[in-house]
Amino acid sequence: DGGITQSPKYLFRKEGQNVTLSCEQNLNHDAMYWYRQDPGQGLRLIYYSQIVNDFQKGDIAEGYSVSREKKESFPLTVTSAQKNPTAFYLCASSPQGRGNIQYFGAGTRLSVL
Amino acid sequence: AQSVTQLGSHVSVSEGALVLLRCNYSSSVPPYLFWYVQYPNQGLQLLLKYTTGATLVKGINGFEAEFKKSETSFHLTKPSAHMSDAAEYFCAVSDNRGGSARQLTFGSGTQLTVLP
Repeated sequence: DGGITQSPKYLFRKEGQNVTLSCEQNLNHDAMYWYRQDPGQGLRLIYYSQIVNDFQKGDIAEGYSVSREKKESFPLTVTSAQKNPTAFYLCASSPQGRGNIQYFGAGTRLSVL
Repeated sequence: AQSVTQLGSHVSVSEGALVLLRCNYSSSVPPYLFWYVQYPNQGLQLLLKYTTGATLVKGINGFEAEFKKSETSFHLTKPSAHMSDAAEYFCAVSDNRGGSARQLTFGSGTQLTVLP
């Protein structure tokens, strides 16, 4: 089955630690996205990538980093500079020429120990 | 710049009653509009979308929405609520340009509760 796989489902971060969230898609989509979801705030865009080796900052990129070495993969690193990382993180992808139509993974819930 | 306002963070309806979730948008260009549904601890699933053409859009699970340009609205309705409709619903807007990556702007969501 084609889809977007996010792992792990739950993740805990210690103070000062960097953690990486995985996102893999087998839909052959060109574009991939990372969103952060906080209660009562909807989704906010962190980073997005249109093609391999290219990515752009979204509205709340500070404290996060990404890479796009393969078309299928778009990992997100939450760095120690992100002072309030507790949130639900959603990865999405969209097909070529149809960036408005985004498909979402099941999410990773990140908590701080 | 685009924005979305969802009126009512929580909506409760009885099973079998009409569901109406409100969404108003702001956009300087003709918009594309979307409704997504999210079940607890899951990702978002696309319910329906308006791009061009017919302003009444039908989606999955019996939901539909009508694009009203004069009112800058895209309200979501379902004639008869089912217990399985209980979830959080998000309205989103993007511009109408093509391209491989486009930013969606989401509303803050409406939690729908269906009472037996």
